[in-house]
Amino acid sequence: EAQVTQNPRYLITVTGKKLTVTCSQNMNHEYMSWYRQDPGLGLRQIYYSMNVEVTDKGDVPEGYKVSRKEKRNFPLILESPSPNQTSLYFCASRTTGGHSGANVLTFGAGSRLTVL
Amino acid sequence: KQEVTQIPAALSVPEGENLVLNCSFTDSAIYNLQWFRQDPGKGLTSLLLIQSSQREQTSGRLNASLDKSSGRSTLYIAASQPGDSATYLCAVSHNNNDMRFGAGTRLTVKP
Repeated sequence: EAQVTQNPRYLITVTGKKLTVTCSQNMNHEYMSWYRQDPGLGLRQIYYSMNVEVTDKGDVPEGYKVSRKEKRNFPLILESPSPNQTSLYFCASRTTGGHSGANVLTFGAGSRLTVL
Repeated sequence: KQEVTQIPAALSVPEGENLVLNCSFTDSAIYNLQWFRQDPGKGLTSLLLIQSSQREQTSGRLNASLDKSSGRSTLYIAASQPGDSATYLCAVSHNNNDMRFGAGTRLTVKP
């Protein structure tokens, strides 16, 4: 089944303890992206990657890092989490190219992170 | 900076009604606009995508329109069903890399 898999789905951690949220897709998609969703604010883009070793900042990159060493994986790293990073995080991927289907994102199920 | 607004924030209708969800955006220079559905505890599912050169897209009981000049899109749902209950989000993209989302409209369809 074509999917985007995020882990963990739920995590409670404490301020300052480094954590990584993994994201993996099995569709050979070039483009991958991370979003956070907060009540009343919708989804906001954190980072995105056009392909292996190519990453770029979204609207809210502060406090986050990403890497794209393999095409299928795009982990989100919080080096020193703070309470304002408590949120619901989504990873998404899509193919690239000129056809209209290249624009359709496939989302993971989400990772709910609480930082105490 | 592009801002995307969805009104109303919540909507409750009886089963069988036709309904319209609204999305407005401040910068008309968009690449495309998408409508998504989000169910509790799940990710987003793309419903319809409208390229900047298109005026509307249809899929089953769903019809999405786009008016770039006025910065508006609507999602029309015909003959609503309880299974349509979900949060609907619209998102606009300027260059196919970024994507800005509205806060969503939470739809409840009552049997």
